[in-house]
Amino acid sequence: DAGVIQSPRHEVTEMGQEVTLRCKPISGHNSLFWYRQTMMRGLELLIYFNNNVPIDDSGMPEDRFSAKMPNASFSTLKIQPSEPRDSAVYFCASSRDLLGGGTDTQYFGPGTRLTVL
Amino acid sequence: GENVEQHPSTLSVQEGDSAVIKCTYSDSASNYFPWYKQELGKGPQLIIDIRSNVGEKKDQRIAVTLNKTAKHFSLHITETQPEDSAVYFCAAQYDKVIFGPGTSLSVIP
Repeated sequence: DAGVIQSPRHEVTEMGQEVTLRCKPISGHNSLFWYRQTMMRGLELLIYFNNNVPIDDSGMPEDRFSAKMPNASFSTLKIQPSEPRDSAVYFCASSRDLLGGGTDTQYFGPGTRLTVL
Repeated sequence: GENVEQHPSTLSVQEGDSAVIKCTYSDSASNYFPWYKQELGKGPQLIIDIRSNVGEKKDQRIAVTLNKTAKHFSLHITETQPEDSAVYFCAAQYDKVIFGPGTSLSVIP
């Protein structure tokens, strides 16, 4: 399997611009997670989907952030308008559900390094 | 809310020595405890995990222990090598995973 695929790997944009990050989870995984990583705050869960439905978006910082999962093989995280404080590495991860409840191991993509000038 | 604490935040060891990282968690529903290694410029990668019905698990030079009563779990790396240098994250998971803040391990040749 190719693993979790994220694009772009690097994104540099100017404040106020729209940014769209993309993720393709591992085939057969039905949970997808978006994380943000910064030196100050570590790894933060932004939102997670199960079977394409958003389950918990309490980590989404504000209305400028939105995420969609139109099908089982694709998800986007959009920031509009972007601000310098959004500069971070954004990771996507996917996992399978466990029969007894909960989710199995999360597998992370390589991340998108976002710089907002 | 759910929380995972991790200590130490930084750790330097001589090559060949052992390294121990300790974590505590707050959510007693957690039943799965993965450990991730993150190298520079890469995403976190699973290195070992343990489920709540097991007290210890070993895979070559790495081992994890779990004390569910005390809500403690630990990572042990023996015979450390320079390529073990990375940031290590513990996590406690039921439906979503709660990560610890990470430990930056440096192995000095």
